[in-house]
Amino acid sequence: GDQVEQSPSALSLHEGTGSALRCNFTTTMRAVQWFQQNSRGSLINLFYLASGTKENGRLKSTFNSKESYSTLHIRDAQLEDSGTYFCAAEATGGNNKLTFGQGTVLSVIP
Amino acid sequence: EAAVTQSPRNKVAVTGGKVTLSCNQTNNHNNMYWYRQDTGHGLRLIHYSYGAGSTEKGDIPDGYKASRPSQENFSLILELATPSQTSVYFCASGEVGGLEQYFGPGTRLTVL
Repeated sequence: GDQVEQSPSALSLHEGTGSALRCNFTTTMRAVQWFQQNSRGSLINLFYLASGTKENGRLKSTFNSKESYSTLHIRDAQLEDSGTYFCAAEATGGNNKLTFGQGTVLSVIP
Repeated sequence: EAAVTQSPRNKVAVTGGKVTLSCNQTNNHNNMYWYRQDTGHGLRLIHYSYGAGSTEKGDIPDGYKASRPSQENFSLILELATPSQTSVYFCASGEVGGLEQYFGPGTRLTVL
């Protein structure tokens, strides 16, 4: 069954506002990676976390392995943040293989 | 300079034809991966490799073969292409023991 459940599936934000995306895991994950897929289809690495919290500009991500979830917070959303956001994680003992969530389609509205 | 490149970027093939998608990485990573992405799905793993000469089945390997002739190159081969294999294909590389993967720009394949 699905190991990575991503929510919401779609989200609209007005410029300057913020929100959080979430991934729940149905098995113990060793680490998580977050990507943005832009309008050209390219996958941009945002974060890689084995634990704890990382921040980069207007983005912040947390990974809690014990409680089996990860979040991506976006603040002060800009038009260029629009795109699809994916989390991907590797199960403990998963041989370096990533399992992807279904993605969150983010639309930032002027 | 892009560290993971894919060719071709777009391909139209006929049903029953052979298709080879190529991936090259300059990250000097041991691990390489092939995924496909379909509407409504995240990326799904087709084949992967731990190094030159190695190929492993991923989650959806049926209808695909892979070849890893060198550290830098990893190919995905569709011997008999079918319309259900119409998709966007992504290649990635990653370090041994590490999780972070780095993706190429994708190849859009249409099988008519």
